[in-house]
Amino acid sequence: KQEVTQIPAALSVPEGENLVLNCSFTDSAIYNLQWFRQDPGKGLTSLLLIQSSQREQTSGRLNASLDKSSGRSTLYIAASQPGDSATYLCAVMNTGFQKLVFGTGTRLLVSP
Amino acid sequence: SAVISQKPSRDICQRGTSLTIQCQVDSQVTMMFWYRQQPGQSLTLIATANQGSEATYESGFVIDKFPISRPNLTFSTLTVSNMSPEDSSIYLCSGKDANQETQYFGPGTRLLVL
Repeated sequence: KQEVTQIPAALSVPEGENLVLNCSFTDSAIYNLQWFRQDPGKGLTSLLLIQSSQREQTSGRLNASLDKSSGRSTLYIAASQPGDSATYLCAVMNTGFQKLVFGTGTRLLVSP
Repeated sequence: SAVISQKPSRDICQRGTSLTIQCQVDSQVTMMFWYRQQPGQSLTLIATANQGSEATYESGFVIDKFPISRPNLTFSTLTVSNMSPEDSSIYLCSGKDANQETQYFGPGTRLLVL
């Protein structure tokens, strides 16, 4: 059974810092991995999707990497801003399934 | 991309009653899912809503407790039956097209059972 864990559970940083969020998964037979952002009352927003054959994806100040063999992914946020404050979730889709298994989330607070 | 809306956005209910949550997608999607997010926890998949047939439930979830309908490719409902305080959660609807990778989520329904 796939299990997804995120570290740290919470993170507080001053504006402008670069930061890294970590995600680990137990079963390396994944089809893809997605990073989501969750804002209160607004559901989830997909940030980046990495296929199992890819090593990384970039979108603006966000960069996500994937090391499937070691069961790890990282989300790098450059030059953090207060608007980045949210809960970040990673989710994996196992090969052969259309269902996402979510991690425990990292609650990020960026202070001005 | 798909835009997903849910109704109601929140509700406070008495134990023993039932609540039906509606999910509307602005475009046709092949797959629709219902998730639960209990306080302080991540999302757990309840079931996959299948058009015109019974939903496919995950381990620990049963149809009698969470009946689901999906009459067409853009609409689904989830009913939380005979509610207890342990059902207090956020319930999220999600949609995905089989030919695309990205999964889209509704804003969620925040349920409090007293």
